[in-house]
Amino acid sequence: EVQLVQSGVEVKKPGESLKISCKGSGYSFSNYWIGWVRQMPGKGLEWMGIIYPGDSDTRYSPSFEGHVTISADKSITTAYLQWSSLEASDSAMYYCARLGPRYGSTWEPFDSWGQGTLVTVSS
Amino acid sequence: EILLTQSPGTLSLSPGERATLSCRASQSVSNNYLAWYQQRPGQAPRLLIYGASIRATDIPDRFSGSGSGTDFTLTISRLEPEDSAVYYCQQYGSSPRTFGQGTKLEIK
Repeated sequence: EVQLVQSGVEVKKPGESLKISCKGSGYSFSNYWIGWVRQMPGKGLEWMGIIYPGDSDTRYSPSFEGHVTISADKSITTAYLQWSSLEASDSAMYYCARLGPRYGSTWEPFDSWGQGTLVTVSS
Repeated sequence: EILLTQSPGTLSLSPGERATLSCRASQSVSNNYLAWYQQRPGQAPRLLIYGASIRATDIPDRFSGSGSGTDFTLTISRLEPEDSAVYYCQQYGSSPRTFGQGTKLEIK
């Protein structure tokens, strides 16, 4: 069974840095693109970017490029989303999700999702 | 960027009825790479349909997708109380991938 387990709730102040995680299991982690989706309070889904853990090839949505960094460590089957300087507008639920069902392709939907990590940024 | 517009914004139906949700794209979706997701309150989204009409694993056949080009439809037949959720369409045929704004389905 494919499982994506995300790190827990985060409460941070503006200007602080943050790295949240997503651990994959039950499939060949290195061979599937994995991505991140933002959902602001009461709002819809936004595609942020994806990474291929096998070689760390990364693609970003223009809306998020330069503001977040996506990375992965295939040795521990974990993907990450990080910020160097948080803003209040980064307060949201963040989901990681696997692109599938075909492995290795970026032209796929998200076929498995993590449970979400709630990030609150407030002074 | 492809803009996806979903309608209606909210749909209120009774158990056993049929729901028809629409997703219209601002330009043609390449290879009909159009997916539908269900998000129940407090839960992560779940993939229902991909490739416009292919049901994802373990999705009941009450859920069906159709359409091509710029106009796509999700149909849910024989509504059940647990179908109460927000439904999103997403195109994954061109960059950046984009989601629709969602349709909220309420079961009376």
